[in-house]
Amino acid sequence: DAGVTQSPTHLIKTRGQQVTLRCSPKSGHDTVSWYQQALGQGPQFIFQYYEEEERQRGNFPDRFSGHQFPNYSSELNVNALLLGDSALYLCASSLGLAGRLYEQYFGPGTRLTVT
Amino acid sequence: KQEVTQIPAALSVPEGENLVLNCSFTDSAIYNLQWFRQDPGKGLTSLLLIQSSQREQTSGRLNASLDKSSGRSTLYIAASQPGDSATYLCAVAPRDSNYQLIWGAGTKLIIKP
Repeated sequence: DAGVTQSPTHLIKTRGQQVTLRCSPKSGHDTVSWYQQALGQGPQFIFQYYEEEERQRGNFPDRFSGHQFPNYSSELNVNALLLGDSALYLCASSLGLAGRLYEQYFGPGTRLTVT
Repeated sequence: KQEVTQIPAALSVPEGENLVLNCSFTDSAIYNLQWFRQDPGKGLTSLLLIQSSQREQTSGRLNASLDKSSGRSTLYIAASQPGDSATYLCAVAPRDSNYQLIWGAGTKLIIKP
């Protein structure tokens, strides 16, 4: 079992550009959540995808969007990048049964630097 | 609104000591609480998950307790080792917004050889 995988590992972008981050969930998991972790802080919930739809969204602007594919993998897109978007982006997978949040398994993250 | 606080923000102790990390949360209506470990620049590794109906969980040298009524959880690390050096984060899954985790800012732990 490969666990949760994310790509790329690191990324450097310029302000105003767009970026796409990718996540493959742990085998058997159907739910993917995305978190943003700024340096020295705990992760902040961006959104969660289940059955190819956004099930819940945190306090992030519409510049942050996502997608879930039939194989449960997911993408996070960020448009019009700002310097403040520089962070570690974490993907977590879980089972979305009965609307409850079961144990989440995290990937290694994508380190995004905006210059 | 659920808020999670971890104290202290940083802790440095000699190898071999037993230690306790603290996590507090403002709303006792939770599904579960998880403790994670994060190594520098890395993702998160789940250490222990405590369901709301449980009082504690143990894994090796780690023991986590949960007191919902007081909004507290502790992570006890026995016989600390330099390899335990990392940032430890706790996160709760609140009942009223149960698709996400609410996180503390973490405790950075340094174990001195």
